[in-house]
Amino acid sequence: KAGVTQTPRYLIKTRGQQVTLSCSPISGHRSVSWYQQTPGQGLQFLFEYFSETQRNKGNFPGRFSGRQFSNSRSEMNVSTLELGDSALYLCASSQAGTDTQYFGPGTRLTVL
Amino acid sequence: ILNVEQSPQSLHVQEGDSTNFTCSFPSSNFYALHWYRWETAKSPEALFVMTLNGDEKKKGRISATLNTKEGYSYLYIKGSQPEDSATYLCAENTGNQFYFGTGTSLTVIP
Repeated sequence: KAGVTQTPRYLIKTRGQQVTLSCSPISGHRSVSWYQQTPGQGLQFLFEYFSETQRNKGNFPGRFSGRQFSNSRSEMNVSTLELGDSALYLCASSQAGTDTQYFGPGTRLTVL
Repeated sequence: ILNVEQSPQSLHVQEGDSTNFTCSFPSSNFYALHWYRWETAKSPEALFVMTLNGDEKKKGRISATLNTKEGYSYLYIKGSQPEDSATYLCAENTGNQFYFGTGTSLTVIP
């Protein structure tokens, strides 16, 4: 089975712009979670989607949003980028009924 | 916001040494405790999922224990090898979301 894929792997944006990141889960996995990692911080939970519905949300401002499509692929959008949004964004998928998460390689976002 | 803490932050050991690190977590809304290994330039890889107090899991030279009453888990590596060099993350799953620690960075010196 193919693993979790994320595109793009690297992205450079400027302040004020918006960005969309994509995550394709492992085939058959219906849950997708997004995390942000900044230097010195553990992975911070952004949100989780299951069957196209946001099931849980972390403590991030409304500039961070996401969605999930019927094929379980998920996108994350950040609007009005700030310098502090520079981070590694990871997505993880899991099968219904289990909570083991399988992570993608991440998207490295740099905001200038 | 839960505080999951890992210690030490980093560790250097000689090949063949055994080592262990700690994950401390608030136990009030505990559902499961996860350990991940994260090698440089790769994705975090699940090692163990632990749910019951007293749980012990083992995979090769790596094992883990769980104490939910006092809120900690230990990860042990026996006879460390250079390929064990990675960051080891723990995460508390409360049933709603995962709370990750900042990890222990292990370097095994040949």
